[in-house]
Amino acid sequence: EAGVTQFPSHSVIEKGQTVTLRCDPISGHDNLYWYRRVMGKEIKFLLHFVKESKQDESGMPNNRFLAERTGGTYSTLKVQPAELEDSGVYFCASSQEVGWEQFFGPGTRLTVL
Amino acid sequence: GEDVEQSLFLSVREGDSSVINCTYTDSSSTYLYWYKQEPGAGLQLLTYIFSNMDMKQDQRLTVLLNKKDKHLSLRIADTQTGDSAIYFCAELLYGQNFVFGPGTRLSVLP
Repeated sequence: EAGVTQFPSHSVIEKGQTVTLRCDPISGHDNLYWYRRVMGKEIKFLLHFVKESKQDESGMPNNRFLAERTGGTYSTLKVQPAELEDSGVYFCASSQEVGWEQFFGPGTRLTVL
Repeated sequence: GEDVEQSLFLSVREGDSSVINCTYTDSSSTYLYWYKQEPGAGLQLLTYIFSNMDMKQDQRLTVLLNKKDKHLSLRIADTQTGDSAIYFCAELLYGQNFVFGPGTRLSVLP
């Protein structure tokens, strides 16, 4: 069974540009989470989808970040416009039920120049 | 607020035991976790402990929980070079999302 996949693995963009990260959860997992680790600091929660609905988006840093999960399958996280402080690794995770083990993807390393 | 703290670096010699420590703040956490991240890879769940337990052992891994002091530790016996990675302590907040520590980079010296 395929695990959580993320695309791209790396992205290098200039400040002010737009980047879209994609996450494909494990098939059948209704719960999808986005986290990020910036500048080697702790991994921070961004938001949680249950199917296509945003269950908790309390960790989203500002309105430059937009997450979607149309159809309740894969999710995208768009950063527009990107700023230098957005550089870091963005992780996606999925779980079958809330509170169950979350399976993490390999992350997307975003570098904003 | 929620905060999980860890020491950032640990070096041990191959064959020795490694002990990675973590402190957390949310006493309502029901589960506490240890994740491992190898270079270029995602986060791999190593083990977890339920908050009403003091200790959990799984092969070379031993997790100790001191709920009074909100202190969690991970002991790796007979540390191998393949154990070199970043280890994250995490608590599951409100049963939904994780709060992670900054990660401890374990270096295993030959």
